[in-house]
Amino acid sequence: DVKVTQSSRYLVKRTGEKVFLECVQDMDHENMFWYRQDPGLGLRLIYFSYDVKMKEKGDIPEGYSVSREKKERFSLILESASTNQTSMYLCASSLITGGSYNEQFFGPGTRLTVL
Amino acid sequence: KQEVTQIPAALSVPEGENLVLNCSFTDSAIYNLQWFRQDPGKGLTSLLLIQSSQREQTSGRLNASLDKSSGRSTLYIAASQPGDSATYLCAVALSGYSTLTFGKGTMLLVSP
Repeated sequence: DVKVTQSSRYLVKRTGEKVFLECVQDMDHENMFWYRQDPGLGLRLIYFSYDVKMKEKGDIPEGYSVSREKKERFSLILESASTNQTSMYLCASSLITGGSYNEQFFGPGTRLTVL
Repeated sequence: KQEVTQIPAALSVPEGENLVLNCSFTDSAIYNLQWFRQDPGKGLTSLLLIQSSQREQTSGRLNASLDKSSGRSTLYIAASQPGDSATYLCAVALSGYSTLTFGKGTMLLVSP
């Protein structure tokens, strides 16, 4: 089974802090994604990556950056956390095989609270 | 821009009922459609993926259908159980390399 893990289930940070959210997948997937989920707004894509050292902006990249130094690991960085970044953060991965886009598999989520 | 709508937003049924969840999308040229389940405070679990060339997929008590021309998909749950209580989300991809566009989900409550 595909396993996507996230470094923390719950995280509390203060305004202005630099925050790192880590995601690791164990199935050699090329694609990795970061979403945030908020009541009434659904899932919104922040950033995604098709390969090591590659990154693409999603729908709401402002205030975030990402890093993918190894294939299995995709990090989301909040350079200076703000209260409006309080949210559930979800990481996902998927495989590309011969140009086919396969299922996305999600991690358990990180509930981030910024005070 | 692709938009995905799920109706109803919430549904409450007694145990044992068969039920249908609906998903509609504005751009019918999709590559695939995926149904997910999400328990409160948890991540998403993939239930079924339907490629654009397929009409339906089945897994246990779940059956998902796809009608691309009308921009609709349904998730049918047979003989519902309290353990089916969760939020169900559908998501579509427009190409093999595109990202997913999600609906906002249907919150299902199955009462014993």
